[in-house]
Amino acid sequence: DGGITQSPKYLFRKEGQNVTLSCEQNLNHDAMYWYRQDPGQGLRLIYYSQIVNDFQKGDIAEGYSVSREKKESFPLTVTSAQKNPTAFYLCASSSTRNTEAFFGQGTRLTVV
Amino acid sequence: AQSVSQHNHHVILSEAASLELGCNYSYGGTVNLFWYVQYPGQHLQLLLKYFSGDPLVKGIKGFEAEFIKSKFSFNLRKPSVQWSDTAEYFCAVGHTGRRALTFGSGTRLQVQP
Repeated sequence: DGGITQSPKYLFRKEGQNVTLSCEQNLNHDAMYWYRQDPGQGLRLIYYSQIVNDFQKGDIAEGYSVSREKKESFPLTVTSAQKNPTAFYLCASSSTRNTEAFFGQGTRLTVV
Repeated sequence: AQSVSQHNHHVILSEAASLELGCNYSYGGTVNLFWYVQYPGQHLQLLLKYFSGDPLVKGIKGFEAEFIKSKFSFNLRKPSVQWSDTAEYFCAVGHTGRRALTFGSGTRLQVQP
């Protein structure tokens, strides 16, 4: 089955720790994205990548980092610099920019 | 600032009632328009999309949306909702000046049996 796989589904982090969220796609899409979803705020763009080895900051990139070493993979690291990391994180991909995006199941991160 | 606005944050309807959810955007020029749905515990999935052509777009599960260029709107409609339509609905806009889809804040729809 083609799709986007995010792991883990739930993640707990202690304050001061970095954590990495996994995102893998087998749709052969060039573009991949990370969004953050908070209640009442919709989805906000953290980072995006249009091709391998290239990525750009989105609207709320502070405290996050990404890499794109393979077409299929776009991991997101939530660093200790992110002041309010508790949220639902969604990874998506699309064949080209601004076309239909396909989403993973999401990772719910909680800071304890 | 350029944005996507969904004015209805929480809508409660009875089964068989008609639904209309508003979506307005502030981008000029050519846009691609989308409605996504997020059922409880599930991933976001596409309901329908508009790129060009007939401004009345039909999607899955009986949903439709109308693009009105002069009003910068792309409202979602369904003539008769079902309990299974309970979900959160997001409008999204793709624009050549943006790097990725921009989403509205979402509308939570609760359908009472």
